[in-house]
Amino acid sequence: AQSVTQPDIHITVSEGASLELRCNYSYGATPYLFWYVQSPGQGLQLLLKYFSGDTLVQGIKGFEAEFKRSQSSFNLRKPSVHWSDAAEYFCAVGRRNSGNTPLVFGKGTRLSVIA
Amino acid sequence: SAVISQKPSRDICQRGTSLTIQCQVDSQVTMMFWYRQQPGQSLTLIATANQGSEATYESGFVIDKFPISRPNLTFSTLTVSNMSPEDSSIYLCSVPTGQGEFYGYTFGSGTRLTVV
Repeated sequence: AQSVTQPDIHITVSEGASLELRCNYSYGATPYLFWYVQSPGQGLQLLLKYFSGDTLVQGIKGFEAEFKRSQSSFNLRKPSVHWSDAAEYFCAVGRRNSGNTPLVFGKGTRLSVIA
Repeated sequence: SAVISQKPSRDICQRGTSLTIQCQVDSQVTMMFWYRQQPGQSLTLIATANQGSEATYESGFVIDKFPISRPNLTFSTLTVSNMSPEDSSIYLCSVPTGQGEFYGYTFGSGTRLTVV
């Protein structure tokens, strides 16, 4: 069964600093990987997803993520954080070629941004 | 991708009562997933609803507490029954979108439930 680990519960960064949120997955094959963001009081918004091909994936809002098979990781990065990026970030894994199975989510990382 | 309309967006309910949450999808989908997000927690799958059959519940969730209806391919409801303060959570529905290699998931905007 799939599982996702987000080791950092809470991260605080200064505005303008770089950001990396960690995500490790467990899956028997190459998974589909997703990052979602949830702003306070808001629904889930898809930042980016990885299916195949280039292991560096570009998403919305200036985010990118890199799939590293050898490390079973899919870390999310942003070169310069904005105050509006303060939110909860969820990494999720899906089963390849099976849209009829639900996503499995990590526990999330809460990002705080300070001036 | 599909668009989901989820209602209500929030509600405050008395303990012992029930609340029914609706999700309407703008296209036909086979599967619909219902999640619960307790305060400060991640999303936990409650059940998978397949049109025309009984929903499949995850461990820790039972039909008597969370009955689900799926009358057609665009609509589903989740009822939270006999509520207690521990049921205070955000409830979300989700559907897979796309086909084959390039599928994704769309989520409803969520129902923020507070039980008092």
